[in-house]
Amino acid sequence: EIVLTQSPGTLSLSPGEGATLSCRASQSVSSSYLAWYQQKPGQAPRLLIYGASSRATGIPDRFSGSGSGTDFTLTISRLEPEDFAVYYCQQYGSSPRTFGQGTKVEIK
Amino acid sequence: QVQLQESGPGLVKPSETLSLTCTVSGGSISSYYWSWIRQPPGKGLEWIGYIYYSGSTNYNPSLKSRVTISVDTSKNQFSLKLSSVTAADTAVYYCARHGLYYYDGYFQHWGQGTLVTVSS
Repeated sequence: EIVLTQSPGTLSLSPGEGATLSCRASQSVSSSYLAWYQQKPGQAPRLLIYGASSRATGIPDRFSGSGSGTDFTLTISRLEPEDFAVYYCQQYGSSPRTFGQGTKVEIK
Repeated sequence: QVQLQESGPGLVKPSETLSLTCTVSGGSISSYYWSWIRQPPGKGLEWIGYIYYSGSTNYNPSLKSRVTISVDTSKNQFSLKLSSVTAADTAVYYCARHGLYYYDGYFQHWGQGTLVTVSS
């Protein structure tokens, strides 16, 4: 099973600032089959990024993903008020599908 | 736009079987993979398993002995059964649709989730 470790656990930032979230895999994620999700309280997760760097439909271009192998990054270029949430990475290159434990982006 | 809706009992007794159904609207259940995912209160996400519309399945080994996922294409529904539940199975249960192709194992569309509490 591939274990995904996200860092930091919490990111305290102000609107307008940039955010960099890390997701590290315990072994290589084949074909960069890595996704990122945003989850707000009381809501289901929302797909942001798939294939490590492809934005899902309707996702603003301030969200970008990068990385390969075992190291992946989600970057939010300028935080909007609605971006404060918990972010999860997920790998789908092998079974079982696994998620990271999440990074909370909170308002400073 | 495809929509998913979970339904089922919100309270299940320990040792009994949790049963949930996901109804798909705005699109056909055919030609896609469908998953169940859960999230204990205040915790992270855990993939339970998936089913293809043809009926083939893949389960998380951590739950495999207790999980059954089935599909009813005539009703555009798929279902989850989790047996011998304990308090550790208390969670919000989500159903989700995968991406377009068989290798698109990300979760493109999600239901709103339903909280299932295991308690006597």
